[in-house]
Amino acid sequence: KNEVEQSPQNLTAQEGEFITINCSYSVGISALHWLQQHPGGGIVSLFMLSSGKKKHGRLIATINIQEKHSSLHITASHPRDSAVYICAVDSGGGADGLTFGKGTHLIIQP
Amino acid sequence: NAGVTQTPKFQVLKTGQSMTLQCAQDMNHEYMSWYRQDPGMGLRLIHYSVGAGITDQGEVPNGYNVSRSTTEDFPLRLLSAAPSQTSVYFCASSYHRPGLPTPLHFGNGTRLTVT
Repeated sequence: KNEVEQSPQNLTAQEGEFITINCSYSVGISALHWLQQHPGGGIVSLFMLSSGKKKHGRLIATINIQEKHSSLHITASHPRDSAVYICAVDSGGGADGLTFGKGTHLIIQP
Repeated sequence: NAGVTQTPKFQVLKTGQSMTLQCAQDMNHEYMSWYRQDPGMGLRLIHYSVGAGITDQGEVPNGYNVSRSTTEDFPLRLLSAAPSQTSVYFCASSYHRPGLPTPLHFGNGTRLTVT
């Protein structure tokens, strides 16, 4: 079973700061997902990536397959970015092959 | 498209009661799955299905039943609720492309409390 570690567990930053959340895993994967969960809300998929880098608005996700590591970056952070960010690794291309990290709780203060 | 729809959003049960959490998707996804989310833990898979008539157990299946009679619906049944089942439950769906990961779609969750 893949072991997924996210860091930091909790992060508080000021509006406008550049944010980095990290995810490391132990076994080779077919893809990695970054998910966002607002307080009391549902879970939204931000990125699915197998290599390289993806960008959507102020969010950037990178993955290094050789080092088994991914990062999620938020540029010009805003209070509405406050949420739990979850990393999930896909080892088998199906629901039973997913392993989730415990999440990073991000608070952006105005 | 409504995406993945879960009902109810909140539920309080007494120990021993039964209930069904509903999940429906309108994206014609083959894969559907149920997860529970507990404080300090990652999402854990309860049951999943790769298509109508096919279900399988995940990591924490005890105390839960599922069925998949249609592509759209994947209800989760608690036959005799226990306090240990207090949790937030998420339904998810995705396409099934063997060997190819596909994006995940989640419902808004059901917050269940068992007293």
